Amino acid sequence: GAVVSQHPSWVICKSGTSVKIECRSLDFQATTMFWYRQFPKQSLMLMATSNEGSKATYEQGVEKDKFLINHASLTLSTLTVTSAHPEDSSFYICSARELLPTGELFFGEGSRLTVL
Amino acid sequence: QKEVEQNSGPLSVPEGAIASLNCTYSDRGSQSFFWYRQYSGKSPELIMFIYSNGDKEDGRFTAQLNKASQYVSLLIRDSQPSDSATYLCAVNTGFQKLVFGTGTRLLVSP
Repeated sequence: GAVVSQHPSWVICKSGTSVKIECRSLDFQATTMFWYRQFPKQSLMLMATSNEGSKATYEQGVEKDKFLINHASLTLSTLTVTSAHPEDSSFYICSARELLPTGELFFGEGSRLTVL
Repeated sequence: QKEVEQNSGPLSVPEGAIASLNCTYSDRGSQSFFWYRQYSGKSPELIMFIYSNGDKEDGRFTAQLNKASQYVSLLIRDSQPSDSATYLCAVNTGFQKLVFGTGTRLLVSP
């Protein structure tokens, strides 16, 4: 099946710094990717829809200036958490849909961010 | 009302038993429904998807969909300890977006 790769798998940073997470579709092109956030014992919450070549669409309550999304190519989307704070510590997961043949949504391995 | 609701569990079943996981959704226009399994600290992995009313079977897994009642369920036959995980129900609300339930934690005891 299709593979979506995320990097880094985990990152620890100091409060106030910025962290970039990459999401790559390895064997298919993804015009749309999705970024989710999952806090402990909670479900996945969609943060934004990343559109190749255009601006991301953010869900209500998600600060677009804090969570910068860039989808510069058909295989790469990046999420940058700017000026990270401890409350941003979470499990960030990207996903991408393979249009053909199944339309299945594939998830990356996730990136665990810890902000000290 | 949450868009997708699941009992958080844990649901405990003995090895070899049938585990039944349920999910209800609020958007009557939803067209596709997914069950994902998520192990602790890992990303979700797709188990099954279902579009049509009725049952869909894949190995030990059976998804059941009842659009009139707005519920979807997942049955796991011959449950194994390796099935112990959190099972997430997800509903496609349109525009390719999936809305996830909070998940049901399943514990299968040897």
